[in-house]
Parts: sequence; structure tokens; C-alpha cells
Amino acid sequence: QKEVEQDPGPLSVPEGAIVSLNCTYSNSAFQYFMWYRQYSRKGPELLMYTYSSGNKEDGRFTAQVDKSSKYISLFIRDSQPSDSATYLCAMSGQGAQKLVFGQGTRLTINP
Amino acid sequence: DAGITQSPRHKVTETGTPVTLRCHQTENHRYMYWYRQDPGHGLRLIHYSYGVKDTDKGEVSDGYSVSRSKTEDFLLTLESATSSQTSVYFCAISEGLTPSYNEQFFGPGTRLTVL
Repeated sequence: QKEVEQDPGPLSVPEGAIVSLNCTYSNSAFQYFMWYRQYSRKGPELLMYTYSSGNKEDGRFTAQVDKSSKYISLFIRDSQPSDSATYLCAMSGQGAQKLVFGQGTRLTINP
Repeated sequence: DAGITQSPRHKVTETGTPVTLRCHQTENHRYMYWYRQDPGHGLRLIHYSYGVKDTDKGEVSDGYSVSRSKTEDFLLTLESATSSQTSVYFCAISEGLTPSYNEQFFGPGTRLTVL
């Protein structure tokens, strides 16, 4: 069993929809939780990071962490075609130097 | 974009040949990483470096070696390439200044095909 599980999709939704992306994990030592966005044939770029449990909001994006359930989520409101990309969750323990990634979810927003 | 370049960007090679990929940074960051990305596996850490000549293994280090003789350069070597090493390889860097969170910045990737 992988340390981090993420549904690879693909996920296709109409423009304006609310998108929910999720990851589960098994390592209770994880403290830092990240979401990366990766456009086709590009390197990943950090979208959001959260320390420990709780919510974090940045514009149309909200990250949630529930450590008791070992479950993290990324919500995208008012989704746009430019949000079409692969979204990867990542997490790490203290120091955040060794990241463990989920498989990535390929998302398409249809105009 | 963080100042990270990878070379070559694309390479096709034959089984059994040695291959070296180069990562170069202009940010003077302490940590450098090599990942591979494959369908169904996301990104997996191969090796990382926490300073000049200081390296450690990641999750999938078998068949790979690394070297870091200068802060700005991190080399990944496949001593004898195999078809299972066909992948997209990403270099990443992070400052590593604090014991807590350090953002990792990724390069553009190298697409390697081993025939």
C-alpha cells in the first residue's frame, strides 16, 4: 500500500463548477501538506501548503487537512479552463525535505 | 520561475549505456533533489543533496548515483541504463534554511527514453 493515495482521474467538469480533489495517507508523522499544480510538459509548481490540521484559503482555492482521518482536500471554486492541469498532493514530516507525492489527478475544465 | 535548468531536455539512449543528467541552479539553495515521474506513481524521490558532497538516498535509488561538487550543480547518473528507467526526471531545489517548511521549486524536466 502506498503512503499517499490519490485518485488519478481523469476528472472532467464544466466551467464554473466546484472541484474537489482528495488524498489519503497512512503515515501519522506527516505534518506538512502541499498541493502542486502541473501543466502538461512542465514542472510542478506549488499551489498551497498547510501545516498540521485546518483550512487555508487563497482566492478560489481552499486546502483542508483532517489529520484525525488522514485526509486532505483541495477545493477549487468557480473553476476556469486555465485550471486544467494535473494536481498532485504531497506531504512530509518535520523539515519537509523529503516529500511523498500522490499519483496526481488530471483535471479538465470544459468551457 | 526559480533559476533551475536541466540538461538535456530530451534524450534517447540504448540499454546498457551510461547517462548523466544535469541540474543547474542560480538560487544558491542548499538542497537539491532528483525525482522521476511515471504514470500511476506520481513523483518519486531518487536522491537528494543537503550540501556540497552531501547526498542521501530516496525512495527509488537503485540503479542511480548522484554527485554534487558545486552548490549550483547536481548530477544524476544512470551507470547502465535499462528500459525501466524510461521516465521524466525532475530536479528540485529548496533553501533548507529552517527546520520547518521549505518550499521545493521544480525544474522543467528531462524526458529520457531507454530503448
